[in-house]
Amino acid sequence: QEKVQQSPESLIVPEGAMVSLNCSFSDSASQSIWWYQQHPGKGPKALISIFSNGNKKEGRLTVYLNRASLHVSLHIKDSQPSDSAVYLCAVSMGNTGKLIFGLGTTLQVQP
Amino acid sequence: NTKITQSPRYLILGRANKSLECEQHLGHNAMYWYKQSAEKPPELMFLYNLKQLIRNETVPSRFIPECPDSSKLLLHISAVDPEDSAVYFCASSPGTVSNERLFFGHGTKLSVL
Repeated sequence: QEKVQQSPESLIVPEGAMVSLNCSFSDSASQSIWWYQQHPGKGPKALISIFSNGNKKEGRLTVYLNRASLHVSLHIKDSQPSDSAVYLCAVSMGNTGKLIFGLGTTLQVQP
Repeated sequence: NTKITQSPRYLILGRANKSLECEQHLGHNAMYWYKQSAEKPPELMFLYNLKQLIRNETVPSRFIPECPDSSKLLLHISAVDPEDSAVYFCASSPGTVSNERLFFGHGTKLSVL
């Protein structure tokens, strides 16, 4: 069974800071890695995904994947108070339609 | 996200039977039920693709899914247990191939007395 672990558990940063979130997974055969954002009382919202080794940039978000070390990271540039949420790393298990989620990192961006 | 609607929003039950409802207006073929217990990540319960049940995770038999058409999903719960207290999310995606983005509803919070 795939295991997804995230760090840190929580993070408090000032507005404008660069945020770095980490995720490790156990199955090198896993497919895409997704990052979801979840605000209190809401469903998760997909932010960005990556499949190939390397990095991918979308707006203020950059994601890095290293399959050899089974590690993926999400970086948020110029963080805003509206970025305050739980960030969930999720691993797609091939063509099964199944996502395995990590426990999440709670981010608080202080104005 | 008003394109996936779930009802009811909140549910407080004793050992009763109840059904959760979900409807998506995205034209997606795949629909999911996820359970998120307190301090835990969402966990897949059921997955339908083109109205066929294709994934049925280890879920107590008191949970019975139903997909009456490609845009609607139901979750029937009989004789709920306190361990069933959680938020139940409906989600949809265009299909079930790798790298599909899931769109989640706002969830139904179930509290079992």
